[in-house]
Amino acid sequence: SQLAEENLWALSVHEGESVTVNCSYKTSITALQWYRQKSGEGPAQLILIRSNEREKRNGRLRATLDTSSQSSSLSITATRCEDTAVYFCATDDNYAQGLTFGLGTRVSVFP
Amino acid sequence: EAAVTQSPRNKVAVTGGKVTLSCNQTNNHNNMYWYRQDTGHGLRLIHYSYGAGSTEKGDIPDGYKASRPSQENFSLILELATPSQTSVYFCASGDGDRVEQYFGPGTRLTVL
Repeated sequence: SQLAEENLWALSVHEGESVTVNCSYKTSITALQWYRQKSGEGPAQLILIRSNEREKRNGRLRATLDTSSQSSSLSITATRCEDTAVYFCATDDNYAQGLTFGLGTRVSVFP
Repeated sequence: EAAVTQSPRNKVAVTGGKVTLSCNQTNNHNNMYWYRQDTGHGLRLIHYSYGAGSTEKGDIPDGYKASRPSQENFSLILELATPSQTSVYFCASGDGDRVEQYFGPGTRLTVL
């Protein structure tokens, strides 16, 4: 079953603009992670935000988590062409059983 | 830096043939995972392992076996490959104290 999902398939922005990817999930979680996957590569974690946290930052990235609405967002400021990738949210209710990934949102950053 | 490698990177197999995908990690992580990635389905967990000698079924284990002979190595085995198993396969490792997973570069498998 799909336990985590991003809300849009694709977004396009110009360099320097900000972009936000949203995610909703369906179960209680201990943490939510955001991953980025560039073409031809495996996913790489960007941010992990735990269920008792509301916001987490990592450089130009900012993740929020709202456990009451079971949603999260990932914002990227001052986008660059190299931010072009598919962004996934992933949830876990038992880390040893692996993560449940959303389908991903493709973000394209144009010059 | 964390490192997960996969081999082969590309594989073409025939229907009914046996395929083995290999994964090696130098992270000394206890947990390892195999996912497949398909358009419209995202990443789905096939098998995972808690350590050497351990294998567990994930969400879509049918048609796949796994082997964890050592801390570093985790293999995915397709005994009788079918065209529906054409996909990109990713291996990952994870630290038991955190939930971040480190992914390999993927193996593109085509079953004809």
